[in-house]
Amino acid sequence: AQSVTQLDSQVPVFEEAPVELRCNYSSSVSVYLFWYVQYPNQGLQLLLKYLSGSTLVKGINGFEAEFNKSQTSFHLRKPSVHISDTAEYFCAVSDMEGAQKLVFGQGTRLTINP
Amino acid sequence: GAGVSQTPSNKVTEKGKYVELRCDPISGHTALYWYRQSLGQGPEFLIYFQGTGAADDSGLPNDRFFAVRPEGSVSTLKIQRTERGDSAVYLCASSLIALGDTEAFFGQGTRLTVV
Repeated sequence: AQSVTQLDSQVPVFEEAPVELRCNYSSSVSVYLFWYVQYPNQGLQLLLKYLSGSTLVKGINGFEAEFNKSQTSFHLRKPSVHISDTAEYFCAVSDMEGAQKLVFGQGTRLTINP
Repeated sequence: GAGVSQTPSNKVTEKGKYVELRCDPISGHTALYWYRQSLGQGPEFLIYFQGTGAADDSGLPNDRFFAVRPEGSVSTLKIQRTERGDSAVYLCASSLIALGDTEAFFGQGTRLTVV
């Protein structure tokens, strides 16, 4: 079984500041890793995913994440945020060995202040 | 359609009643998933279909919950004898084949309120 912990339930930052949203996971098997974003009144949208290969993954809207196997982390970063990045962000994992389901963290609400 | 469509968008029902929630996946997507998102929580897996069959229903909380996908396209999540604790947003997602190889696209959800 897998579990995902998002260490911050809320993150307020000023516009154009850098941001990091933290995600740690636990799993007894190898996993795929995902970050989803949920804008107000919209469905979940995939930001980026790590399947294999380079541990630095680039996604949409200038976001990137780095997979760290030894620390079982997959933190999301953006060097300069915009008001439009205000949303709920979810980290998720799925195992590589057949279980076709995502296990989500509790989410981090990112609020961008002008 | 262009994306995953869920109907209704909102449903209010009385405790003890039966409800059906519908999901229209993206055309051609063989995999379909149902999740439940309670207030302040991340989505929780309920059930996964590959084609017409439920490949994994381990997330269904009890036997009041049931889902079907008779023709391998539209799916219906059915909840019998609803309880106030069933109140949540029910999310549907679909993907072309299997999760690790392709993106899962989510609908906007059905907000179920049991009063």
